[in-house]
Amino acid sequence: NAGVMQNPRHLVRRRGQEARLRCSPMKGHSHVYWYRQLPEEGLKFMVYLQKENIIDESGMPKERFSAEFPKEGPSILRIQQVVRGDSAAYFCASSAEPGQINTEAFFGQGTRLTVV
Amino acid sequence: LAKTTQPISMDSYEGQEVNITCSHNNIATNDYITWYQQFPSQGPRFIIQGYKTKVTNEVASLFIPADRKSSTLSLPRVSLSDTAVYYCLVGKISSGSARQLTFGSGTQLTVLP
Repeated sequence: NAGVMQNPRHLVRRRGQEARLRCSPMKGHSHVYWYRQLPEEGLKFMVYLQKENIIDESGMPKERFSAEFPKEGPSILRIQQVVRGDSAAYFCASSAEPGQINTEAFFGQGTRLTVV
Repeated sequence: LAKTTQPISMDSYEGQEVNITCSHNNIATNDYITWYQQFPSQGPRFIIQGYKTKVTNEVASLFIPADRKSSTLSLPRVSLSDTAVYYCLVGKISSGSARQLTFGSGTQLTVLP
């Protein structure tokens, strides 16, 4: 999973600030998925994006969270006005074009957000 | 959306074979079964994927019975470095949704010396 690059690896923000998390998918992958993992818990799906399109955002909180995957550049997960409860590890995964055959998703190392 | 059930934790000793079973009673016809491994402070790592019968790669084997309502991940001769959380996922990434790529609680495998 070294091919999916996330940065920064660690991010500290004060309450009320904005957090921007970046994800560069594996070469040739055009599908990106964001997950959140709270301490001692499993991964929770947040959003699924293709280039310039949000496909499934059923796991995204209704407020303060947004995601994009522009034509050029990495995918961005943005959290506005962060609160302590946003402290978590945020993982990005990428996959090739889904088709008739199931597709493996490869994960990055994650960004650990700490809100102080 | 097929729900999965796994044991919360398992202990084993170095050199033993470990089998982790996942139940997925309402698996759909088009669903695949995928296993991921996660070490602390790292992202999940793909281990193996299958649809039916048996799949083997350099890391593990996956056994899927004919009714596909369960699957067993088999790790041969585990070492201390295999201590991790193992997730069973059932579903299919489609063009319209990624909800199937949903992680359950996973199984914490602890390998003892």
